[in-house]
Amino acid sequence: GAVVSQHPSWVICKSGTSVKIECRSLDFQATTMFWYRQFPKQSLMLMATSNEGSKATYEQGVEKDKFLINHASLTLSTLTVTSAHPEDSSFYICSARDGGQGSYEQYFGPGTRLTVT
Amino acid sequence: DQQVKQNSPSLSVQEGRISILNCDYTNSMFDYFLWYKKYPAEGPTFLISISSIKDKNEDGRFTVFLNKSAKHLSLHIVPSQPGDSAVYFCAASARNAGNMLTFGGGTRLMVKP
Repeated sequence: GAVVSQHPSWVICKSGTSVKIECRSLDFQATTMFWYRQFPKQSLMLMATSNEGSKATYEQGVEKDKFLINHASLTLSTLTVTSAHPEDSSFYICSARDGGQGSYEQYFGPGTRLTVT
Repeated sequence: DQQVKQNSPSLSVQEGRISILNCDYTNSMFDYFLWYKKYPAEGPTFLISISSIKDKNEDGRFTVFLNKSAKHLSLHIVPSQPGDSAVYFCAASARNAGNMLTFGGGTRLMVKP
């Protein structure tokens, strides 16, 4: 149980285009999903917290107009990188929490590697 | 300010021996701690966790120890196996912060056959 999928697993796009990454909880309902970014040999940096049916909460320094997050259902959250630039190239990972705020554990997706040329 | 620190970026251990990965934290409000294992180009996998009301939690080859007074936790893997080679992240959470996870920088464990 507690499986989270991400699609696509990797994507290459040209500078200036937009890319959408999907995160799905396959066997549970996730009221809260999280989006992280990982640079090579660095830790996971939380970008934003996404609650179903409401606006995402972005961490300091993360541009909300650049990284659009939509959590339209209890099993799907999407991250759209708008007008991508080479510096947006990174490994993006989502996670989902099973249950309400009383739950601590997050289950992670396999990640999406974005390369912007 | 890093609230969760893993001061050893890497650790090398012989197969069959014990691996000890350390993690320190500064926020006294953290009340739940987790260890995740991560392979390259994959998402982290949950390993084991511990609540602040306990000082030890064991699951098979994995044991997590918590020393609240020292704000220190450690993950013991015994016996270590080559398949344990990965990056290990400790994470901490506080109920009054919505249970969001704060991650340490990770420790790369290499288990040599």
